[in-house]
Amino acid sequence: NAGVMQNPRHLVRRRGQEARLRCSPMKGHSHVYWYRQLPEEGLKFMVYLQKENIIDESGMPKERFSAEFPKEGPSILRIQQVVRGDSAAYFCASSWVGVTEAFFGQGTRLTVV
Amino acid sequence: KNEVEQSPQNLTAQEGEFITINCSYSVGISALHWLQQHPGGGIVSLFMLSSGKKKHGRLIATINIQEKHSSLHITASHPRDSAVYICAVRENTGNQFYFGTGTSLTVIP
Repeated sequence: NAGVMQNPRHLVRRRGQEARLRCSPMKGHSHVYWYRQLPEEGLKFMVYLQKENIIDESGMPKERFSAEFPKEGPSILRIQQVVRGDSAAYFCASSWVGVTEAFFGQGTRLTVV
Repeated sequence: KNEVEQSPQNLTAQEGEFITINCSYSVGISALHWLQQHPGGGIVSLFMLSSGKKKHGRLIATINIQEKHSSLHITASHPRDSAVYICAVRENTGNQFYFGTGTSLTVIP
């Protein structure tokens, strides 16, 4: 699972700034999932993307959060106007088409000060 | 009610002990994953199961689809096994993974 690369590993933002989290899936993977782990809580699904398509965003907060997975380049999770409650670890995972196994990245730890 | 329940939440063991972590789920699944997370670290996938039993080194994972239950066993536990172990299931009707809240394991030398 070392093939799923997330950057940055740690990100500090002031309240009101934008946070951009990147996830490069394993080679050949066309499905990306984003998860959030709040302090002292378990992982929660946020969004599931295929190349150029959002398949399921039922776990995404309605405002300030967006995700994309362009044809070229990494998947991006964007959080606008961050607030302290956005502080969490954000993980992405990737998989092949139609395969149930997913590989996880190391996560990005976002701290909002 | 959580779709995935794990027990125990916390577990302390002496080095060398046999350890069992349990996972029960309430949804229909296509696969179950056992994941390992070290403090401040990333997530490592230990096993993916859809039936039966898998073994990797000192780790054994079993699943009973009818009872919607899985167990992760660690034989001859070692302090380096100290981590949070997370059970995750992929729902068979959608795209979501559901996660347990994790079992925090501490193995004392």
